[in-house]
Amino acid sequence: GAVVSQHPSWVICKSGTSVKIECRSLDFQATTMFWYRQFPKQSLMLMATSNEGSKATYEQGVEKDKFLINHASLTLSTLTVTSAHPEDSSFYICSASFPSGGSYNEQFFGPGTRLTVL
Amino acid sequence: AQSVTQPDIHITVSEGASLELRCNYSYGATPYLFWYVQSPGQGLQLLLKYFSGDTLVQGIKGFEAEFKRSQSSFNLRKPSVHWSDAAEYFCAVGPGTNAGKSTFGDGTTLTVKP
Repeated sequence: GAVVSQHPSWVICKSGTSVKIECRSLDFQATTMFWYRQFPKQSLMLMATSNEGSKATYEQGVEKDKFLINHASLTLSTLTVTSAHPEDSSFYICSASFPSGGSYNEQFFGPGTRLTVL
Repeated sequence: AQSVTQPDIHITVSEGASLELRCNYSYGATPYLFWYVQSPGQGLQLLLKYFSGDTLVQGIKGFEAEFKRSQSSFNLRKPSVHWSDAAEYFCAVGPGTNAGKSTFGDGTTLTVKP
């Protein structure tokens, strides 16, 4: 159980175009989803937190107009990289969690999406 | 502010040898601590977590970790490494109810020699 998928697994696009990445919780309802960015050989950096039905909360330094996040349902969140440029090339990972009723809400990670902007 | 330090960027061990990956943290309250593993091009998989109770926690794939409050450490261990353990390992610290706000260390790359 607790499987999170991402689509596409990799994408190549031209500079200036927009790219949408989907994150789905396959067997549970994710009240909260998180989007991370990971550069090669580096750690994960949290970009934003999205709660179903509300606006995403972006971390400091993340351009909300460039990285549009939508969490329209309890099983789907999307990240749209608008007007992508080569410096946006990265590995994007989402995770999803749900309230456990206790003190710990585990997050389940998707397999990631490799974005390359030419 | 919370922070995580993984002092070892890269570790190489022989198959069958024991392994210890170091993690030191800084956190203002009782920490929730996590170890994740990431295979190339993949997302993260939770190996184990600690937030209370026995300071020696058992995880999946034969891993264990020991929480030492006095040393602000949460080192990961495995008695006998398998070639399939070669991966990137991340230590993280953060709030339990909002684990996505965890801070991750920079990771340790594990190479396993045959």
